[in-house]
Amino acid sequence: NAGVTQTPKFQVLKTGQSMTLQCAQDMNHEYMSWYRQDPGMGLRLIHYSVGAGITDQGEVPNGYNVSRSTTEDFPLRLLSAAPSQTSVYFCASRRGPTYNSPLHFGNGTRLTVT
Amino acid sequence: SQQGEEDPQALSIQEGENATMNCSYKTSINNLQWYRQNSGRGLVHLILIRSNEREKHSGRLRVTLDTSKKSSSLLITASRAADTASYFCATDAVLTGGGNKLTFGTGTQLKVEL
Repeated sequence: NAGVTQTPKFQVLKTGQSMTLQCAQDMNHEYMSWYRQDPGMGLRLIHYSVGAGITDQGEVPNGYNVSRSTTEDFPLRLLSAAPSQTSVYFCASRRGPTYNSPLHFGNGTRLTVT
Repeated sequence: SQQGEEDPQALSIQEGENATMNCSYKTSINNLQWYRQNSGRGLVHLILIRSNEREKHSGRLRVTLDTSKKSSSLLITASRAADTASYFCATDAVLTGGGNKLTFGTGTQLKVEL
């Protein structure tokens, strides 16, 4: 039972490069989301999706794009990386946006932008 | 901005002692959740308490919720070295446009020493 799988675990980018962080879940969860975690800031919501074909912005969406073509996958794209995007990124899913249900997290991607 | 704020930011206790962490929040919620994060890993859900509940137990965990004071506490009894981790509260609130949003606090770092 894999749960939420994130790849890669580590990534170093140069300023201006682009990349995609992958996230997949095998629990048939409707809701998927991306958070970034920075020291002293807790987790901040970047983008979320309540189902295939539907995405919306969280509190820190600038510099990131998402799409949700399938229930299982929710990739996060950085179009032009900046040092301010150095962070640990977590993908999380849950059963549905209106249920009293917990989030299931992946183990994170540690991104460094130089 | 953060919805939940944990107190204290850091806590160091001896094995066998109890650990208490507090969380305050600002707006109305559907439920409040507590998560644990071990170093270098994703968050793991511990317990969920709904807005109409006042207390909930799960093993050595006890959570209370006071909606009039907009606060919650997490008590870990008979702590063990394996409880060393960061603990986050997260508030689940209804968005004006529909759907729910889970907002995390900045966490309490708990260290349990032998």
